[in-house]
Amino acid sequence: EVQLVESGGGLVQPGGSLRLSCAASGFTFSRDWMHWVRQAPGKGLVWVSRINSDGSSTTYADSVKGRFTISRDNAQNTLYLQMNSLRAEDTAVYYCARDFLAALDPWGQGTLVTVSS
Amino acid sequence: EIVMTQSPATLSVSPGERATLSCRASQSVSTNLAWYQQKPGQAPRLLIYGASTRATGIPARFSGSGSGTEFTLTISSLQSEDFAVYYCQQYSNWPYTFGQGTKLEIK
Repeated sequence: EVQLVESGGGLVQPGGSLRLSCAASGFTFSRDWMHWVRQAPGKGLVWVSRINSDGSSTTYADSVKGRFTISRDNAQNTLYLQMNSLRAEDTAVYYCARDFLAALDPWGQGTLVTVSS
Repeated sequence: EIVMTQSPATLSVSPGERATLSCRASQSVSTNLAWYQQKPGQAPRLLIYGASTRATGIPARFSGSGSGTEFTLTISSLQSEDFAVYYCQQYSNWPYTFGQGTKLEIK
């Protein structure tokens, strides 16, 4: 069974940093592109970032460019999102998702990031 | 950035009836369009990709159609478990963008 499990969320002050992890299992992680998507409380889905299979190419939404870094460790089957200079508007549930023919499937259960003083 | 617009925002339908959800793109995305279902407290689930291909395990009552800028998700006979929020998403251009969602509620 394909499974994605996020961790690393929590409460952080504005300007702080946090690193999210996404542990993958049930598929050949090193072959697939991966994505991060976020959802603010009560709001819709917003794509954040993607990384190709070997980590050599990344893309970011303008709202996080220069502050967030996506990376992966294919030996550990783990995807990361390093988030720096966090703002209140970054408060959201963060989901990792596998790229499936450019759609997103499956998704992890999400991890909540709250940016507040 | 391609803007995805879904309509209506809320759709009230009785169980057993048909539901039709719409999604419009601000420019052509060809058939690079997916639909997701999200229930409260859960992660989204892929229903349709390539505008019309059902994902693995998705019941046949879900169907997608359209190309270019106009897309439709149809649920032929609503079951109780289908009441949820539905999102369309384009993956034709970066950044990927989602519609704002359609909440399908029980009438």
